[in-house]
Amino acid sequence: GDSVTQMEGPVTLSEEAFLTINCTYTATGYPSLFWYVQYPGEGLQLLLKATKADDKGSNKGFEATYRKETTSFHLEKGSVQVSDSAVYFCALRNQGGKLIFGQGTELSVKP
Amino acid sequence: GAGVSQSPSNKVTEKGKDVELRCDPISGHTALYWYRQSLGQGLEFLIYFQGNSAPDKSGLPSDRFSAERTGGSVSTLTIQRTQQEDSAVYLCASSFLSAGGRADTQYFGPGTRLTVL
Repeated sequence: GDSVTQMEGPVTLSEEAFLTINCTYTATGYPSLFWYVQYPGEGLQLLLKATKADDKGSNKGFEATYRKETTSFHLEKGSVQVSDSAVYFCALRNQGGKLIFGQGTELSVKP
Repeated sequence: GAGVSQSPSNKVTEKGKDVELRCDPISGHTALYWYRQSLGQGLEFLIYFQGNSAPDKSGLPSDRFSAERTGGSVSTLTIQRTQQEDSAVYLCASSFLSAGGRADTQYFGPGTRLTVL
């Protein structure tokens, strides 16, 4: 069945460091891909999305490109801030409409 | 505008009791989803209501779990004879459906934290 695999956390970075969180997927057909973020004590929020191959989603300085050839949707940010500390979830949406999530990656950014 | 709301925010119950969790989707969203988030299992899909079509119940873990959506809006997730392994945060999400019936971006509520003693 469809699945999403993320790099394990926690990831600890210093402020202004470069961030990459790897995400790969297995799916039939052509899923849409998402990154959701969960800040401490808050609910899941959509961070960015891409609906077809080679699309780049971007928001708040974060970017991810839908790579069909490598079945990947890695999240990147050039300069992280303390306020980016959160848990990040990669997800795919198949034809059925439900989201299939990766296990989440906890990011901690130190000043 | 108003987002997805869920109630209660916290629920503590005793093993064997029944619980009902409520979700109010964003107005105009015709698709509604339930997920649960637990330490051991991460984020899991439970059930999906898509407009007037039959719901996708493929993620419900046992027959103790059921959900209904009344009037195409509010949904209730019911867990009968709760077990300790049911302890989790239950999340509701809603979305538009495109003209072709494809689900749009899902927006999540704050969740209900269920603790079964």
